[in-house]
Amino acid sequence: GAVVSQHPSWVICKSGTSVKIECRSLDFQATTMFWYRQFPKQSLMLMATSNEGSKATYEQGVEKDKFLINHASLTLSTLTVTSAHPEDSSFYICSARGTSVIYEQYFGPGTRLTVT
Amino acid sequence: GQQVMQIPQYQHVQEGEDFTTYCNSSTTLSNIQWYKQRPGGHPVFLIQLVKSGEVKKQKRLTFQFGEAKKNSSLHITATQTTDVGTYFCAGLYTGRRALTFGSGTRLQVQP
Repeated sequence: GAVVSQHPSWVICKSGTSVKIECRSLDFQATTMFWYRQFPKQSLMLMATSNEGSKATYEQGVEKDKFLINHASLTLSTLTVTSAHPEDSSFYICSARGTSVIYEQYFGPGTRLTVT
Repeated sequence: GQQVMQIPQYQHVQEGEDFTTYCNSSTTLSNIQWYKQRPGGHPVFLIQLVKSGEVKKQKRLTFQFGEAKKNSSLHITATQTTDVGTYFCAGLYTGRRALTFGSGTRLQVQP
């Protein structure tokens, strides 16, 4: 099946700093990628939909100036958490939509962000 | 708004017992997908249902899509410890590119 990688797998940063998370589709081209946030034992909350070469579409309530998304190529999307605060600590997961007619999503392994 | 409700939140069964999780949407879905997330892992695609009344089977797993395309269920026959994890349904609404995930059902299987 299709593979999506995510880097880093975990990161600890100080409050006020910025953190960049990379999401790559390794063996297929992903015109659309999605960024989710997941709190412990909860569902995935969609943050934004990222399209290659265009601006991301953010869900209501998600600050686009705080969560910068760049989809520079068909295999790479990045999420930058700017001026991170402790409440930004969470599990961030990206997914890439498959190219088959099913449009299933392939998820990356996730990034555990802890802001101290 | 468009949202997908999923029940139960949690189910603890003895190995060998059956398990079912249900999803319901207030509005018609274009399709519904099911994912499994193991503890500490990421969601993994299981299946997609598109047609009204569709039923699909994967070994001990049976997936159903309601006639009105507003509800779906996942049934596991004779659970095994390897079935442990959280099962999410995710609906796709017409005009949206992103899936709307249900809240998930966490399954615990007692050996």
